[in-house]
Amino acid sequence: EAAVTQSPRNKVAVTGGKVTLSCNQTNNHNNMYWYRQDTGHGLRLIHYSYGAGSTEKGDIPDGYKASRPSQENFSLILELATPSQTSVYFCASGGQRNTGQLYFGEGSKLTVL
Amino acid sequence: GQQVKQSSPSLTVQEGGISILNCDYENDMFDYFAWYKKYPDNSPTLLISVRSNVDKREDGRLTVFLNKSGKHFSLHITASQPEDTAVYLCAAGATGGNNKLTFGQGTVLSVIP
Repeated sequence: EAAVTQSPRNKVAVTGGKVTLSCNQTNNHNNMYWYRQDTGHGLRLIHYSYGAGSTEKGDIPDGYKASRPSQENFSLILELATPSQTSVYFCASGGQRNTGQLYFGEGSKLTVL
Repeated sequence: GQQVKQSSPSLTVQEGGISILNCDYENDMFDYFAWYKKYPDNSPTLLISVRSNVDKREDGRLTVFLNKSGKHFSLHITASQPEDTAVYLCAAGATGGNNKLTFGQGTVLSVIP
């Protein structure tokens, strides 16, 4: 079973503050993803990575940066958090290619006041 | 625009009935399709996926139907149970897209006793 863990699970931040969401996977998957979930929008892709050192923009990258320092770790960074970034963020890793199989973490609930 | 669409935000089915969840897509490059299930405060998990070389795939109570010419796929759940109550997310991906999935908005299925 794939293991993807996120931290923190809950975070309250102030507008203009910096937020870092961390993700760790132990299955040696090359691909990792950050999605956000909002009512009426489902899951939307923010950034993804093909492997250590790579980051790519997803469908809604504005206001977010990503970092993949190693195979296991993939971070999402909000340099200047805004209330519109209040959401639940899911990290995922992908194993076998072109199967539709992603393994998701437990989610990180971010509230920006 | 929304490349993968679930037009019904919610669906209510009687226990024992058939639940039919629908998904439409726009991108001709999509060639694999998936359905995920998500309980509140939990992570999405893959239910079933298909590649575009088949029109139908069955797995127990689940059947996915794919209509490529209509750019439409659906999930049928037979003998629906109250524990099937959840959010169902459809997703699509393209070969060569590094397992990058585009999700629909989600449909809340409620199975009532």
